[in-house]
Parts: sequence; C-alpha cells; structure tokens
Amino acid sequence: DIQMTHSPSSLSASVGDRVTITCRASQAISTYLNWYQQKPGEAPKLLIYAASSLYTGVPSRFSGSGSGTEFTLTITSLQPEDFATYYCQQSYRSPYTFGQGTKMEIK
Amino acid sequence: QVQLVQSGTEVRKPGASVKVSCKASGFSFTAHFVHWVRQAPGQGLEWMGWINTNTGDTDYAQKFQGRVTMASDRSINTADMELSRLSSDDTAVYYCARIGHHLVQVSGTTADAFDIWGQGTVVTVSS
Repeated sequence: DIQMTHSPSSLSASVGDRVTITCRASQAISTYLNWYQQKPGEAPKLLIYAASSLYTGVPSRFSGSGSGTEFTLTITSLQPEDFATYYCQQSYRSPYTFGQGTKMEIK
Repeated sequence: QVQLVQSGTEVRKPGASVKVSCKASGFSFTAHFVHWVRQAPGQGLEWMGWINTNTGDTDYAQKFQGRVTMASDRSINTADMELSRLSSDDTAVYYCARIGHHLVQVSGTTADAFDIWGQGTVVTVSS
C-alpha cells in the first residue's frame, strides 16, 4: 500500500497568516493527489485535485503543488473558517489511502 | 441538487452486522463509482473500498476482505455497505463518497477525486 504522511501533524496559526502543509507519498504517484478539508462533525470537502487544480467554488487563497512523492497545500491569508483538519489522499492506486491529517488551530 | 444521503445512526453488539445505505440524487448514479470511507472517533480517514454502480464490481481494502460487502441498486440509486463480525474497533462514522472525474486544465486529462460525500452514519459497537 502507498503510505501518505503529513507534516506537520498540527499547527497553530493566526488569521491572515500564510501556511503550508506538506504531504509525502511512500512511492511516486505522479500528480494523483487530492486535498480535503474537514471541520468537526462534518464530512470532508474537496479542495484540490490532481495536486494543483482548484475544485469548483474553493477560494483562490488555497493552492496546491508537487508531483512524484512530495506535495504541498498552501493557504494564503488564513481566514477564520479555514481552521480545520486537512487530509491528502492518493488516487494513483487502490487502496486509495489518506494521510493522517494536519489539524490547524488558531494561535 | 447533487447529493448523497445516508441512513441513520446504528448501534450494534459485538459480533453483529450493520448495513449502511447511501442514496444518490441529482446526478447519473451509474456514471460514478461509490467509495466508502470511515473515521473512528478522533482519528483520520480510512478508505474501505468501492463499488462500480453500473456493473456491481467491487474492490475492498485488504483489511476488510471477508467482512465487508458493497452492493448497489440502480433502480433506486442506492449503494449499501454491510460490515459483519463487528467489534468495538469498528465504532466510527461511515461515509459514502462519489468519485468525480475532473478536467485538469494544464494537461487536458481528467483526474478522479471524492467530490460529493454523504453526511456520514454513526455506527457504535458496544455490549
């Protein structure tokens, strides 16, 4: 199975900050990498697909990059509604594994 | 609107089985695989498997092989996931999710991602 690893596992940031989350795959997955946001008590929501494509309706302050084994999710100018847990997920091969998540909290 | 609506909360005793349903509306049900993902309390997301809603073909995570059965009924646009021989480790929120096929502008190809999710079904296993 392809293992997905987030770093950091959690971070504290302030409204207006720029933050970057990294996700590493245990083997090369090209750009078959998606990012999701999940808030407590809610289902995950798709943010980014194919490593860097912004999903419909997602604010442009979210962006993704990377290929192969290393990927990043960047949020410029954090908003109060962005404090949540973020998950990467590979769609390269079954099983379609998720990372353990990065929990973003308000500083 | 485009949505997946899941069945309600379930409580089971260890050793029992549970079936969770996921009803699709607002899109062509057979044009999209349905995947199942679960989340134990305070934990991350765990992929369980998928079903091809057109053919009925399935692919299950090895961890659940022999214990999970996914099925779909095209006549009522519903996918089901049944998990047997439950233990307390199966206490979780279970989600169904649609795989959507999205255009990648840079390459002109399409990419798959879970774009529509059900609201989640809480399954509690307790004696």
